[in-house]
Amino acid sequence: GESVGLHLPTLSVQEGDNSIINCAYSNSASDYFIWYKQESGKGPQFIIDIRSNMDKRQGQRVTVLLNKTVKHLSLQIAATQPGDSAVYFCAEIPNSGNTPLVFGKGTRLSVIA
Amino acid sequence: GAGVSQSPSNKVTEKGKDVELRCDPISGHTALYWYRQSLGQGLEFLIYFQGNSAPDKSGLPSDRFSAERTGGSVSTLTIQRTQQEDSAVYLCASSLAGTVSPLHFGNGTRLTVT
Repeated sequence: GESVGLHLPTLSVQEGDNSIINCAYSNSASDYFIWYKQESGKGPQFIIDIRSNMDKRQGQRVTVLLNKTVKHLSLQIAATQPGDSAVYFCAEIPNSGNTPLVFGKGTRLSVIA
Repeated sequence: GAGVSQSPSNKVTEKGKDVELRCDPISGHTALYWYRQSLGQGLEFLIYFQGNSAPDKSGLPSDRFSAERTGGSVSTLTIQRTQQEDSAVYLCASSLAGTVSPLHFGNGTRLTVT
């Protein structure tokens, strides 16, 4: 079936470096994608979203890139801080319209001080 | 509070007992979702309410699971005759305008079935 997956389950980065978290999706009809951050003991927190008519969107210290040709999504975090340590999930809407988000398994980001 | 509120935060129950989990969504949000997250895993969709439409129950794992949303606001997820494999964190989320707007999650209810 259709699925959202991640290339790397864990990622360790030095404080101050940039982080890149990758995500592959298989449904070419998906038109809305979201990145979430989940800290221990908390629910997922919205970071940034992007629609399929865009290939890049920037937020505060974060950038999401969408490559529809290869069905790839990435989250870039600039100047990674200890507070960025968490599990990051990408999520997609597999069909345009009234269907719930499908989440990937997550990547754990560990920031080394 | 401005966020999604879930109660209880933790629930321990014996196998075979029924449990009810509560979710208070953000005021004005028309859509409400339940997801389940097992230890170290991603989020598994359970059920989705949108306004007055019939809920999307396609993710419920068995007929022991049911959910209601009263008055378009508070939702209750009920698990009957709990089994050990039901142990997980149950997350509720709401959104302003259905699935094409960001979901805002509560902190979940951690359910442990002994």
